[in-house]
Amino acid sequence: GNSVTQMEGPVTLSEEAFLTINCTYTATGYPSLFWYVQYPGEGLQLLLKATKADDKGSNKGFEATYRKETTSFHLEKGSVQVSDSAVYFCALISSDSGNTGKLIFGQGTTLQVKP
Amino acid sequence: ETGVTQSPTHLIKTRGQQVTLRCSSQSGHNTVSWYQQALGQGPQFIFQYYREEENGRGNFPPRFSGLQFPNYSSELNVNALELDDSALYLCASSLALTGRHQETQYFGPGTRLLVL
Repeated sequence: GNSVTQMEGPVTLSEEAFLTINCTYTATGYPSLFWYVQYPGEGLQLLLKATKADDKGSNKGFEATYRKETTSFHLEKGSVQVSDSAVYFCALISSDSGNTGKLIFGQGTTLQVKP
Repeated sequence: ETGVTQSPTHLIKTRGQQVTLRCSSQSGHNTVSWYQQALGQGPQFIFQYYREEENGRGNFPPRFSGLQFPNYSSELNVNALELDDSALYLCASSLALTGRHQETQYFGPGTRLLVL
């Protein structure tokens, strides 16, 4: 079945450090891939997305590239800020989910950025 | 443009009771999906509604049911509440142009349900 695996957290970084959060997926067909962010006590906000192989999604300094050969969609940011502290979720919608837009999420990775 | 809104924000119920959660989709969206997020976990898909019909369901029992109204707002109903139903319930809306549903889903702030 379709699934998403994220690196275990929590990830603790100093401000201005480089961030990588690994995400790999298993899916049939050609899924669309997403990163969502959840701040404490809030719902999910879309961070970025990619809908086909080699696409790069980017937003607010975050980037992720859809790699079909390695079935990965790793999230990166060159210089993190304290305000980036949150839980990050990698997710996919499979193209063969029977026409249902079912988002499948990873377990989430908590990022804590220290001043 | 109005985003996705949910009500209530918090709710406390006792085991065996019934609960109704509400969601207003983003303006112009025609599809609503519901997710359950247990503490420390990723969201799990409950079901999706498209043009007032159920358009797919996750691995949840029949006591979880829903509705979508002509204005595309939606309700999630849970009967016979169990302790394990305590979670954050998230609603997401999207616009399906061709009947395909790989479009981006935009989430509301959620309703936090506690079952005692």
